[in-house]
Amino acid sequence: DGGITQSPKYLFRKEGQNVTLSCEQNLNHDAMYWYRQDPGQGLRLIYYSQIVNDFQKGDIAEGYSVSREKKESFPLTVTSAQKNPTAFYLCASTSGTDYSFSNQPQHFGDGTRLSIL
Amino acid sequence: AQKVTQAQTEISVVEKEDVTLDCVYETRDTTYYLFWYKQPPSGELVFLIRRNSFDEQNEISGRYSWNFQKSTSSFNFTITASQVVDSAVYFCALSEPYSGAGSYQLTFGKGTKLSVIP
Repeated sequence: DGGITQSPKYLFRKEGQNVTLSCEQNLNHDAMYWYRQDPGQGLRLIYYSQIVNDFQKGDIAEGYSVSREKKESFPLTVTSAQKNPTAFYLCASTSGTDYSFSNQPQHFGDGTRLSIL
Repeated sequence: AQKVTQAQTEISVVEKEDVTLDCVYETRDTTYYLFWYKQPPSGELVFLIRRNSFDEQNEISGRYSWNFQKSTSSFNFTITASQVVDSAVYFCALSEPYSGAGSYQLTFGKGTKLSVIP
């Protein structure tokens, strides 16, 4: 079945450590997104990518980095510069090109819950 | 400025009751899209419906119905004869394709947590 796979489900970060969250999709979607969800909050966009080797900052990109070397993969690194990384991270993807990205529903993975040790 | 407001933080209903989740949005665009997503306890967001700004027809899908009113900038979601499986957090979201740097992102409300009690 096609879908989005996020791993790991739970992740713990030590002080000063960088950690990487994996996101893989087999939907052949062009666009991929990373969101952060805090308790009682909506989703906030960290980064998005419309095409391989290109990505754009979202509303809260500071302390995070991404890469898009393959269409299927969009890993997110939470760097030591992100002082408050504890949150639920969701990866999403959508089909379409250019303008039409905006009217397509986004498909989401099951999320990764990140905590500080 | 917050563009999507879900004023109801938490709602509890008894099974088989009807419940309406409110969503009010703000945009200066004439072309935009509205979405509803369901987030069950497992965490994954599930797409429920999309509505574009030119289509004010209400929609019914089984026990779900949506009331889109541009005059009041609202896109409300009603569940009739609620069931325990409807317990989840529901998010309303807005997409504005011509809003420059934000043209490819969804703006989410903070969500409404619905608890259906047996």
